[in-house]
Amino acid sequence: QSVLTQPPSVSGAPGQRVTISCTGSSSNIGAGSDVHWYQQLPGTAPKLLIYGNTNRPSWVPDRFSGSKSGTSASLAITGLQAEDEADYYCQSYDSSLSGSVFGGGTKLTVL
Amino acid sequence: EVQLVESGGGLVQPGGSLRLSCAVSGFTFIDYWMHWVRQAPGKGLVWVARINGDGSSTSYADAVKGRIIISRDNAKNTVFLQMNSLRVDDSAVYYCAREDSVSSFDSWGQGTLVTVSS
Repeated sequence: QSVLTQPPSVSGAPGQRVTISCTGSSSNIGAGSDVHWYQQLPGTAPKLLIYGNTNRPSWVPDRFSGSKSGTSASLAITGLQAEDEADYYCQSYDSSLSGSVFGGGTKLTVL
Repeated sequence: EVQLVESGGGLVQPGGSLRLSCAVSGFTFIDYWMHWVRQAPGKGLVWVARINGDGSSTSYADAVKGRIIISRDNAKNTVFLQMNSLRVDDSAVYYCAREDSVSSFDSWGQGTLVTVSS
């Protein structure tokens, strides 16, 4: 059971918008720790998608956006494309565990 | 170009030991915290351990505490993961990752597979 909670799966048709939630607690997201998101394509290593709650590395299109409020964070993907089909993970720092924590991952299916 | 290349994975019996290495290039190694993250087959990412730039500070996930040691050799630009008393549930792809200034993992290696089985 992961410290950060994500839905196991989400899906959407091409062009649609989907969101992936990441719920934590007062010892991680709620304590002010930043949330970061990673995209993992099948058979490859994870890649940083969103850092510091809302920021995108230069390679990430602006169809991807992040937000954070209270003890939760969200990743939104607009204009879904087939190439977005992947696993998505949120990550933060937990002060009570003195280490990083990940969500369980969400598999995005583009219908 | 930033590169992280893991090695040292393989098949080991329960109770055995293995030492993973992650050789890095393309950045000033001593300036960065480094981490190990693992992923069991078909499962999610799990943080394992971290070490600061000069190697003086480390921390571990509860699941591996007392059995795994992270270390680094800044002269060789390499971070290590010494794994002892290995269990079947330690089987996973092990990734090393670089922590950036906002504590995200901005660079990852390709991973090395550890299989613990009799």
